[in-house]
Amino acid sequence: GAGVSQTPSNKVTEKGKYVELRCDPISGHTALYWYRQSLGQGPEFLIYFQGTGAADDSGLPNDRFFAVRPEGSVSTLKIQRTERGDSAVYLCASRVSGGHNEQFFGPGTRLTVL
Amino acid sequence: AQSVTQLDSQVPVFEEAPVELRCNYSSSVSVYLFWYVQYPNQGLQLLLKYLSGSTLVKGINGFEAEFNKSQTSFHLRKPSVHISDTAEYFCAAETQGGSEKLVFGKGTKLTVNP
Repeated sequence: GAGVSQTPSNKVTEKGKYVELRCDPISGHTALYWYRQSLGQGPEFLIYFQGTGAADDSGLPNDRFFAVRPEGSVSTLKIQRTERGDSAVYLCASRVSGGHNEQFFGPGTRLTVL
Repeated sequence: AQSVTQLDSQVPVFEEAPVELRCNYSSSVSVYLFWYVQYPNQGLQLLLKYLSGSTLVKGINGFEAEFNKSQTSFHLRKPSVHISDTAEYFCAAETQGGSEKLVFGKGTKLTVNP
């Protein structure tokens, strides 16, 4: 079946601009996660959705970052007033809730802020 | 807070040689541990996981890992590597309760040479 998909695969923007990154999870997965992977680092947690609600947003670095999941499936990560330090690969993962089930990762969106 | 340390950033080996990728975790409570592999320009793929029970865990592609509570380690091993095993490997720990998010190490780049 289809895995987690993310669009776009690459996004180049200018400092100060607004960007949206999209994640389509595996159908039926109620849990959805966003992570950020900077060059030479492991992924770092940003936010977790259980259904439509953001159950844990403790990883968002500041109020320029926001994410939504209005219908409990597709999620959008929104970054306002982008900075060069926001350049990274943004990963989305989904899973069946409970039971320490595997998180399935998408291929990521590579964001470059010039 | 949980943390995961991967002791080697790069590991070069020759084809058909054995390999061990080291991982240590820090936590005051029981943990659930994972190894993921990331091939170039691809998403993270689960190799294996430890939740409970037998401390020796077997995964895909001939990899295995041993959970050692006294040494707080979860090292990944393969008795004979192939060129196709060249990739980045990430050790991760799942937080307990709440979001069950993953905390990742910085990764180990495994390069298998002919």
